[in-house]
Amino acid sequence: EPEVTQTPSHQVTQMGQEVILRCVPISNHLYFYWYRQILGQKVEFLVSFYNNEISEKSEIFDDQFSVERPDGSNFTLKIRSTKLEDSAMYFCASGQGDQTQYFGPGTRLLVL
Amino acid sequence: AQSVTQLGSHVSVSEGALVLLRCNYSSSVPPYLFWYVQYPNQGLQLLLKYTSAATLVKGINGFEAEFKKSETSFHLTKPSAHMSDAAEYFCAVSVNFGNEKLTFGTGTRLTIIP
Repeated sequence: EPEVTQTPSHQVTQMGQEVILRCVPISNHLYFYWYRQILGQKVEFLVSFYNNEISEKSEIFDDQFSVERPDGSNFTLKIRSTKLEDSAMYFCASGQGDQTQYFGPGTRLLVL
Repeated sequence: AQSVTQLGSHVSVSEGALVLLRCNYSSSVPPYLFWYVQYPNQGLQLLLKYTSAATLVKGINGFEAEFKKSETSFHLTKPSAHMSDAAEYFCAVSVNFGNEKLTFGTGTRLTIIP
């Protein structure tokens, strides 16, 4: 069964460094999303992406964040200058237009 | 804007007993509703979804949920709990047009007592 994959599974970085989180959505899906889950808290929406542009973004998704679909398979989330409060599990999700989103296993980001 | 409230951050049931996890939603337009399960150190797996067809929805692993518009609820049930059901369960809401974001509840951690 097709699934969403994410790399790396864990990332440790120093405050102020740039990180890129990578996702490979399910191949025939057209809608892509990033969510995050701070430890012990609920899953929060960051951004949605369709037709090579951002559809919607939350107030969390400020100028430090960007997304890109550099080729036909990858979908990346970049954090330009990480802060301590960016430490969280980041989930990528994809969908084919029927309101159902399929999630990847997540990348656990720790900012020191 | 949509929101979801999950009553009970922790629920414990005995193996073989009924599982009932509560979810109430708020939405100004007809909602789509979802239950996801998260096992330790894993991602979110879709259990079931309501998309305005049948109000009683059956999902994987023996779970089902009933959409009750009058009560704005979408509670998750399973007749007989298994040890493998121990996980965190998230209710989520979306709207039934476009491909809008999911808005999640705070989650319910289910513990199964042997």
